[in-house]
Amino acid sequence: EAQVTQNPRYLITVTGKKLTVTCSQNMNHEYMSWYRQDPGLGLRQIYYSMNVEVTDKGDVPEGYKVSRKEKRNFPLILESPSPNQTSLYFCASSVSGQGRNTGELFFGEGSRLTVL
Amino acid sequence: DAKTTQPTSMDCAEGRAANLPCNHSTISGNEYVYWYRQIHSQGPQYIIHGLKNNETNEMASLIITEDRKSSTLILPHATLRDTAVYYCIVGYSGGYNKLIFGAGTRLAVHP
Repeated sequence: EAQVTQNPRYLITVTGKKLTVTCSQNMNHEYMSWYRQDPGLGLRQIYYSMNVEVTDKGDVPEGYKVSRKEKRNFPLILESPSPNQTSLYFCASSVSGQGRNTGELFFGEGSRLTVL
Repeated sequence: DAKTTQPTSMDCAEGRAANLPCNHSTISGNEYVYWYRQIHSQGPQYIIHGLKNNETNEMASLIITEDRKSSTLILPHATLRDTAVYYCIVGYSGGYNKLIFGAGTRLAVHP
């Protein structure tokens, strides 16, 4: 089954304790992206990756890092989490490249993060 | 990127057609119209997209006006499972998916 898998789905942590949210897709997609969703602010893009070793900032990258060492994985790293990073996080993937990109993003089920 | 305007909320009776409107008066010639939905706090789900012509798939139909300034997503026989927030987005196909999700329309399907 084609899917995007995120872990953990729920996490409560404390300020400053480094954490990583993993994202893996089994569709051989080149493009992957991270979003956060907050009440009243909608979905905002954090980082995206066009392919292995190619990443770029989205609209709200501060406080986050990403890496793309393998095509299937795109982890989101919070080096020193703060309470304002409490949010619902979504990973998404799609094919990319001119002529092949249909705009169809496949989303994971979300990771609800609480930073105390 | 062009912006979209959608009603904040809508209601629909189960079994009836749900028609969700979207205005995108500043859409540019090569921008597509995309529809996604989000059930509770699950990941958004792609529904359909189109450029100029009307489109239909197993989930819904998309009607785009001739001037492309507005569109309507049609769920032909709404069920309770269609209760969700529906997002109308305009963006480019090709390159990468810079799709900006707005507030969407909260559709409530009731018995």
